[in-house]
Amino acid sequence: AQTVTQSQPEMSVQEAETVTLSCTYDTSESDYYLFWYKQPPSRQMILVIRQEAYKQQNATENRFSVNFQKAAKSFSLKISDSQLGDAAMYFCAYRSGIIQGAQKLVFGQGTRLTINP
Amino acid sequence: NAGVMQNPRHLVRRRGQEARLRCSPMKGHSHVYWYRQLPEEGLKFMVYLQKENIIDESGMPKERFSAEFPKEGPSILRIQQVVRGDSAAYFCASSPEFIGAFFGQGTRLTVV
Repeated sequence: AQTVTQSQPEMSVQEAETVTLSCTYDTSESDYYLFWYKQPPSRQMILVIRQEAYKQQNATENRFSVNFQKAAKSFSLKISDSQLGDAAMYFCAYRSGIIQGAQKLVFGQGTRLTINP
Repeated sequence: NAGVMQNPRHLVRRRGQEARLRCSPMKGHSHVYWYRQLPEEGLKFMVYLQKENIIDESGMPKERFSAEFPKEGPSILRIQQVVRGDSAAYFCASSPEFIGAFFGQGTRLTVV
């Protein structure tokens, strides 16, 4: 079974600076998807960014980018120019890409990100 | 295009009662997933449904929990004879197919 590990329960960063959240995963599959979700105090789960394992290029969405290291099974999230609105729980998630019916997301434990003004 | 709609947002039940949680997927989405989030934890998969079919229920407790996604109407997660340990946030997600899921705002169930 696949597992996702976020080793940083909490992180903090000064407003306008850059922060990197870590995520590692374990799988024997070669085809899969990785995601970062943000959960602010409202509890809404918001998709931040996604990466297809077959793509070598790291995904980027505005101030959010990933460092996808397939061989190391690492998928970190970099937030540039941090803003107060970025404060939230961040969850890394894995989804198999090949098995019909196995579309469930496997989540890490989460990292609570605090932005210091 | 409205997002994934869940209701109620908050639900309080006494031990032994039934809890019924509803989820309307995004328009055009035929895949629905239910997840449970305990305090200070990540989301845990419960069940994956398509219209009138349960595709994967490997995360559902064997007793008291059931889910359906009828041909017409919302998906329903039903918890019979609730216990204190069922207190959690329950999230529904939908996807068109093989794309990252979009989540509702969740239902916070409190069992007293």
